[in-house]
Amino acid sequence: KQEVTQIPAALSVPEGENLVLNCSFTDSAIYNLQWFRQDPGKGLTSLLLIQSSQREQTSGRLNASLDKSSGRSTLYIAASQPGDSATYLCAVEVASGTYKYIFGTGTRLKVLA
Amino acid sequence: SAVISQKPSRDICQRGTSLTIQCQVDSQVTMMFWYRQQPGQSLTLIATANQGSEATYESGFVIDKFPISRPNLTFSTLTVSNMSPEDSSIYLCSGGTGPQETQYFGPGTRLLVL
Repeated sequence: KQEVTQIPAALSVPEGENLVLNCSFTDSAIYNLQWFRQDPGKGLTSLLLIQSSQREQTSGRLNASLDKSSGRSTLYIAASQPGDSATYLCAVEVASGTYKYIFGTGTRLKVLA
Repeated sequence: SAVISQKPSRDICQRGTSLTIQCQVDSQVTMMFWYRQQPGQSLTLIATANQGSEATYESGFVIDKFPISRPNLTFSTLTVSNMSPEDSSIYLCSGGTGPQETQYFGPGTRLLVL
């Protein structure tokens, strides 16, 4: 059974810091991994999608890497800003009867001005 | 990309009643899913909504409690039946054009059962 874990559970950093969020999964048989952002009281916004054949994806100040064999992904946020404060979720897509996403436990990020 | 809307955005319901949540996508999507997010928790998949056929439920979720409809490629409903306070959660729908494609999420429906 696929399990997805995120470390740390919560993080508080001063503005301007570079930071790394970690995601690990127990079964390497995934189709892709997606990072999402969830603001309080809101739905999810997709940040980056990494296909299983890819090693990393970049969008602006965000860079996500994927190491399928070790069951790990990292989300790197450069020069953090207060507007980055949110919960970050990773999810892996698996095929088990039907294609579906298994979500991680989330990292609550607070960037202090 | 796809824009997904949900109705209602929030509701307060009495124990024993039922609530139907609607999910509308602005373009045709192959896959639609319903998730539950309990307070302080991550997302748990309830079921895959299949167009024109019965939904595929995950372990721990049953059709009698969470009946789902999907009459076409842009619309789905989730009903939370015979509610109890334990059903208080955020319910989110998502859609995508297929496996290995970006998943888009609705804003969620915040349900409080008294």
